[in-house]
Amino acid sequence: SQTIHQWPATLVQPVGSPLSLECTVEGTSNPNLYWYRQAAGRGLQLLFYSVGIGQISSEVPQNLSASRPQDRQFILSSKKLLLSDSGFYLCAWSETGYGNTIYFGEGSWLTVV
Amino acid sequence: GEDVEQSLFLSVREGDSSVINCTYTDSSSTYLYWYKQEPGAGLQLLTYIFSNMDMKQDQRLTVLLNKKDKHLSLRIADTQTGDSAIYFCAEDILTGGGNKLTFGTGTQLKVEL
Repeated sequence: SQTIHQWPATLVQPVGSPLSLECTVEGTSNPNLYWYRQAAGRGLQLLFYSVGIGQISSEVPQNLSASRPQDRQFILSSKKLLLSDSGFYLCAWSETGYGNTIYFGEGSWLTVV
Repeated sequence: GEDVEQSLFLSVREGDSSVINCTYTDSSSTYLYWYKQEPGAGLQLLTYIFSNMDMKQDQRLTVLLNKKDKHLSLRIADTQTGDSAIYFCAEDILTGGGNKLTFGTGTQLKVEL
């Protein structure tokens, strides 16, 4: 069966520090991968999605970047965090193609202080 | 354009039925989803409906889709305290060969004794 892991689960970082959130998927190959953010009191916002290694699409202009160095690894990064980057970050995956269910990881709480 | 709207809160008594509503704007949506998020956790897929269906029933869950009005609802029969969570609807939009889900802001369901 397929599983998705993301870490760390909780992170408190000072403004201006770097960020790295990691996500890996097991039990499938060539998945579509996603990073979503859920800000406090707001809905989910798609940040990045990837349909293959090295292929990253950005949905919103922001202080974050994403990379996919391996087929089942998706990394969310920032060089310098802003207070507004605080939120709940969710990694997700789906099978390749259209109309497939998206499955989410357990999420990472980021607080920028 | 892409916009998914939900009411923010719903309070029901245990044993009653809950109805969570959602409206969306993109008529090209093929699948529509309901996800459940418990406090501090990731999202769990509850159910989904294909756009050529009007209704789907899965145990205590009933999904109704009015494609003409772009209105989706989730009915939970015999609501229990364990159903207390945030419920997100999402529409599936074709983009670049992969899924792109646009989520609503979520409806917080509170079940009272």
